[in-house]
Amino acid sequence: DADVTQTPRNRITKTGKRIMLECSQTKGHDRMYWYRQDPGLGLRLIYYSFDVKDINKGEISDGYSVSRQAQAKFSLSLESAIPNQTALYFCATSESGWSQYFGPGTRLTVT
Amino acid sequence: QKEVEQNSGPLSVPEGAIASLNCTYSDRGSQSFFWYRQYSGKSPELIMSIYSNGDKEDGRFTAQLNKASQYVSLLIRDSQPSDSATYLCASRSQAGGTSYGKLTFGQGTILTVHP
Repeated sequence: DADVTQTPRNRITKTGKRIMLECSQTKGHDRMYWYRQDPGLGLRLIYYSFDVKDINKGEISDGYSVSRQAQAKFSLSLESAIPNQTALYFCATSESGWSQYFGPGTRLTVT
Repeated sequence: QKEVEQNSGPLSVPEGAIASLNCTYSDRGSQSFFWYRQYSGKSPELIMSIYSNGDKEDGRFTAQLNKASQYVSLLIRDSQPSDSATYLCASRSQAGGTSYGKLTFGQGTILTVHP
């Protein structure tokens, strides 16, 4: 089984809908991250969490919220999706700030 | 100014050649650097990390770090078509508090190795 899983893998939704992307990990890492990737822009950090009680904004947090339900679970929500949130979303984990390991990604399309 | 810049590419090399991927960073406090490989439609995969000035070799891959010049590079020897991918350079923040351990990524360089 994969160490970092993301659900769903693909999602098409309409403008204004609420959507949640979920990430789970079995690596036992304390830190979890959400990134989005757009062509030519690399990976941009949305939110990150160092433990269940610690949530921090990344460089592009507007329009997103997160929840760290347990050490192994970190969810990303789009309260009211808009077309420019169409992107590839990745969850990543790390142990105390060392190398980050990425999940398989969620391709989100907002129409 | 973007904190991590990569040579824009795309880079095309013949099979068997050396591919050279370059990266510069602006945060002098960064101490750790990473190279990720990302195949089209897949997630980034860590291939090299480097923390000290000089070279670090792992098989066909060599990472080079020059902190005085704020420069990181990745050399791929005997390039194979299977090396065709996007390569992402990342630096890790050493700043204190909640910034510690964050990675900043470059925009990536597309490498194509043609037979």
